Amino acid sequence: ETGVTQTPRHLVMGMTNKKSLKCEQHLGHNAMYWYKQSAKKPLELMFVYSLEERVENNSVPSRFSPECPNSSHLFLHLHTLQPEDSALYLCASSHPTTAVTGEQFFGPGTRLTVL
Amino acid sequence: AQSVTQLDSQVPVFEEAPVELRCNYSSSVSVYLFWYVQYPNQGLQLLLKYLSGSTLVKGINGFEAEFNKSQTSFHLRKPSVHISDTAEYFCAVIVSGSARQLTFGSGTQLTVLP
Repeated sequence: ETGVTQTPRHLVMGMTNKKSLKCEQHLGHNAMYWYKQSAKKPLELMFVYSLEERVENNSVPSRFSPECPNSSHLFLHLHTLQPEDSALYLCASSHPTTAVTGEQFFGPGTRLTVL
Repeated sequence: AQSVTQLDSQVPVFEEAPVELRCNYSSSVSVYLFWYVQYPNQGLQLLLKYLSGSTLVKGINGFEAEFNKSQTSFHLRKPSVHISDTAEYFCAVIVSGSARQLTFGSGTQLTVLP
């Protein structure tokens, strides 16, 4: 248990649906991240938020829309996804003193299946 | 840009045997190195990290790794594995002083057999 929670743990959606993934941490961290984990591929960093401001967007398609309303919550809004977007989506957070050294705390992930 | 190569995608090993999971990185600048472990249906958990100082780093659950700058490697070892060590292991690198941009390898699935 790392203190980072994600809901839902599993999600099945059609290509025309709109859904949201939620991430929550109460560890006092000020940076939050979305990663995509596909089978047999390295983790792909999607978005980074620091102090509720988006600081990185790694060429992610616009059908993924992040939102960070405060330093404890991070959302990933999904719409008109494609089957190749099926993956495990991981949320992570980092503390101000460990962010520079790279230590991040991960949630359990949301297993997304797009039909 | 840096990259991380984990040479073995799958490593089967018998219980109580030693294991080494290999990791090589490429970077022209100073880096910090990490090993994360992912148990089934869970997120990633930090196993150990190298920031500076001694090149032999000890982590949780009896794992250790050695930083070799000349060979740009950071191999993970355990002298005697347990069934509970079955998991996926990820090597990661970050450029020193560059916050947030962790680069991960593609992972090594360690399966411990009885």
